[in-house]
Amino acid sequence: AQSVTQPDIHITVSEGASLELRCNYSYGATPYLFWYVQSPGQGLQLLLKYFSGDTLVQGIKGFEAEFKRSQSSFNLRKPSVHWSDAAEYFCAVGASTGGFKTIFGAGTRLFVKA
Amino acid sequence: KAGVTQTPRYLIKTRGQQVTLSCSPISGHRSVSWYQQTPGQGLQFLFEYFSETQRNKGNFPGRFSGRQFSNSRSEMNVSTLELGDSALYLCASSPRTQPNTEAFFGQGTRLTVV
Repeated sequence: AQSVTQPDIHITVSEGASLELRCNYSYGATPYLFWYVQSPGQGLQLLLKYFSGDTLVQGIKGFEAEFKRSQSSFNLRKPSVHWSDAAEYFCAVGASTGGFKTIFGAGTRLFVKA
Repeated sequence: KAGVTQTPRYLIKTRGQQVTLSCSPISGHRSVSWYQQTPGQGLQFLFEYFSETQRNKGNFPGRFSGRQFSNSRSEMNVSTLELGDSALYLCASSPRTQPNTEAFFGQGTRLTVV
């Protein structure tokens, strides 16, 4: 069965420090992978997506993610975190099971210290 | 282009009542998905509609139902509300019903059952 694991429930980083959020997926076929961000009280916004090709993908707001098939991982990175990046981040895989649905990880809440 | 619109933003209902939530997708998008978000369970897929047909359904009781109209607008209904139904209900629209298609989310409807 398809699943997404985000092992870190929350992470705290200092403003200006680098960030890496971990994501592992389980999916039998070629995965379609996404990272979304959710600010408090808001819906989800797409940061970036991976379907094929270059395993390092660039997204909005200075985020990037690297797909590693051998590790079934799709970790999100940012070289320098800003206070406005404090939010919850969701890794997701697009699954086709007689229809279409997106399977989300449990999310990682990012706290940014001044 | 207008985004996904969900109404109402907030609702308070009493146990045993029923509720209907509305979602207007982005113009031209024919796929609408619904998710329930709670602190304990995270984001859980409810169902997906495409061209007025339910294409996929999550693991929720029959009290949760939905429909999609010819203009792609969608409604979800929860009957005989329980306290555990308190959650943020998110609607997402996509132009296609394929796993490699990103979803565009509304801001959600916050349902509180008392």
